[in-house]
Amino acid sequence: DAGITQSPRHKVTETGTPVTLRCHQTENHRYMYWYRQDPGHGLRLIHYSYGVKDTDKGEVSDGYSVSRSKTEDFLLTLESATSSQTSVYFCAISESPVSPGTQYFGPGTRLLVL
Amino acid sequence: QQQVKQSPQSLIVQKGGIPIINCAYENTAFDYFPWYQQFPGKGPALLIAIRPDVSEKKEGRFTISFNKSAKQFSLHIMDSQPGDSATYFCAAGTSNAGGTSYGKLTFGQGTILTVHP
Repeated sequence: DAGITQSPRHKVTETGTPVTLRCHQTENHRYMYWYRQDPGHGLRLIHYSYGVKDTDKGEVSDGYSVSRSKTEDFLLTLESATSSQTSVYFCAISESPVSPGTQYFGPGTRLLVL
Repeated sequence: QQQVKQSPQSLIVQKGGIPIINCAYENTAFDYFPWYQQFPGKGPALLIAIRPDVSEKKEGRFTISFNKSAKQFSLHIMDSQPGDSATYFCAAGTSNAGGTSYGKLTFGQGTILTVHP
């Protein structure tokens, strides 16, 4: 398994509170991604990073921000959590976007916003 | 145009059957089509992938068929086993080396496969 850890693995929070999820990799891969997984929607890209301090929005970025100050860490922040952000969040890493374009996924964080 | 549509949402087969999962895409810039397998409580894992220069790729019991003109691709699982019970996702991406794809993938909605003993 690729060396990817996510923390916390489970979290329950209340509406309006800030939440930060952490993705840590030991593979020294350049590219990192945050997805959310919801029934009927598959995996949807929230934000991605193509290097330290280089990040950009995905298809469902509203209400989320990210930061990457080190190659190994990619943080996802919900500034003010809402019930619609209840989901399972996955981090993924990739060495190269060209070939084979493989993304390796972490174990996920299950977030419940009450 | 970025969507990838996957069907069926769920699929039940008997052991030894050949489940088939289909995906369709619109964006002709897509040139990389992976399939991911996900077991409950785990992250998705790459199963098999294909590029549009071939029409079929086999790895063990898993086969991808690709129809470029129809913009469709499918996953076939030969001699399915109860251990194949999982959620399967198709995806599509663009691998332009000098461009701005950054390895992003667009995923289908997922198919929950159950293989009965």
